[in-house]
Amino acid sequence: AQSVAQPEDQVNVAEGNPLTVKCTYSVSGNPYLFWYVQYPNRGLQFLLKYITGDNLVKGSYGFEAEFNKSQTSFHLKKPSALVSDSALYFCAVRPRGDDKIIFGKGTRLHILP
Amino acid sequence: NAGVTQTPKFQVLKTGQSMTLQCAQDMNHNSMYWYRQDPGMGLRLIYYSASEGTTDKGEVPNGYNVSRLNKREFSLRLESAAPSQTSVYFCASSEVGTAYEQYFGPGTRLTVT
Repeated sequence: AQSVAQPEDQVNVAEGNPLTVKCTYSVSGNPYLFWYVQYPNRGLQFLLKYITGDNLVKGSYGFEAEFNKSQTSFHLKKPSALVSDSALYFCAVRPRGDDKIIFGKGTRLHILP
Repeated sequence: NAGVTQTPKFQVLKTGQSMTLQCAQDMNHNSMYWYRQDPGMGLRLIYYSASEGTTDKGEVPNGYNVSRLNKREFSLRLESAAPSQTSVYFCASSEVGTAYEQYFGPGTRLTVT
């Protein structure tokens, strides 16, 4: 069965430190990969996506993600965390040719002042 | 440009009551989706519509019906609400083509007592 795993329910990082939110997937072929962020009582907002090409993708709010085909991973990163980055982050995978997106269960990111 | 709008924002129903959740988008997207979000479960697809006049079941369609009224609007109906349908419901839309990200509405928080 196709799936997306976010192995950490919660990640705590001190402000100013680099952050990583992990995502691995089990989807056949070469799927499209996405990261979304959800702030309290809001809908999901698109952060970035990987379609093809350079393995390092840059997105909104200074976030970037690294695609690793051999490890089927798509980890979200930021060089220097801000308190305002505290939110719920979702990794999502869309098989090519499929209308549907498979979401991970989400990782709650806490940035400590 | 309002993006994706949903009504109502909050709703409390008694078991057995019915209601319709409304969703509209002004981005001229062909594809629209309904998800539910439950703690620790991530987002689960209820129904989706790849284009006006077509709908398909997602992962958790039981107890729900949908109508793609026109290109802009996609409604979700609960015919006989159950406590298990207590959740936050999100509508989303996207361009046709699997490389495109989804845009989400603000959500409807539904409680069934």
